Amino acid sequence: DAGVIQSPRHEVTEMGQEVTLRCKPISGHDYLFWYRQTMMRGLELLIYFNNNVPIDDSGMPEDRFSAKMPNASFSTLKIQPSEPRDSAVYFCASSLFINTQYFGPGTRLTVL
Amino acid sequence: QKEVEQNSGPLSVPEGAIASLNCTYSDRVSQSFFWYRQYSGKSPELIMSIYSNGDKEDGRFTAQLNKASQYVSLLIRDSQPSDSATYLCAVNIRGKGSQGNLIFGKGTKLSVKP
Repeated sequence: DAGVIQSPRHEVTEMGQEVTLRCKPISGHDYLFWYRQTMMRGLELLIYFNNNVPIDDSGMPEDRFSAKMPNASFSTLKIQPSEPRDSAVYFCASSLFINTQYFGPGTRLTVL
Repeated sequence: QKEVEQNSGPLSVPEGAIASLNCTYSDRVSQSFFWYRQYSGKSPELIMSIYSNGDKEDGRFTAQLNKASQYVSLLIRDSQPSDSATYLCAVNIRGKGSQGNLIFGKGTKLSVKP
């Protein structure tokens, strides 16, 4: 079975530009999570969905960040406008049971 | 107080030795505890979960949980160079508004020397 798929794997953009990260969860999984990882802050949960509905977005840093899950097989995380401090690796994870999370390969975002 | 704390390391052990990784957490009502392994440049992968006090063994890995002391550990027996990675402790923090809120420690970097 295919694991969690994320695209793009690398993204380099300039400050002020819009960035869209994409995620396809494992088929049949009903939870989807977006994380951000930096050296300074470690792995932080941004938002998670259950059955396509956002459950907890308290980790979203500010209004520049938004996430959607229009269907069970696709989710996006959008940053608009992007800033250099948004540079990080963004992971998507999915699970069937709430705690057994499987991570995608991540998107390494660099904002210049 | 940080919610999940780990010694950042690096922890260096010789091949064949036992590596001991430790984690403390602040939320007394936490019920679920996990260890993830993350190789450099890769994504975290779940290696152990534990829900009740005591030990849980899986191959060379043993997870230990002591809820009274708010402490969870991971032992790796017969350590191999391929075990060299960062190990992340994750705890389900209740009272954060949702059941799915896993809080991760910053990880302990393990280096196994041949």
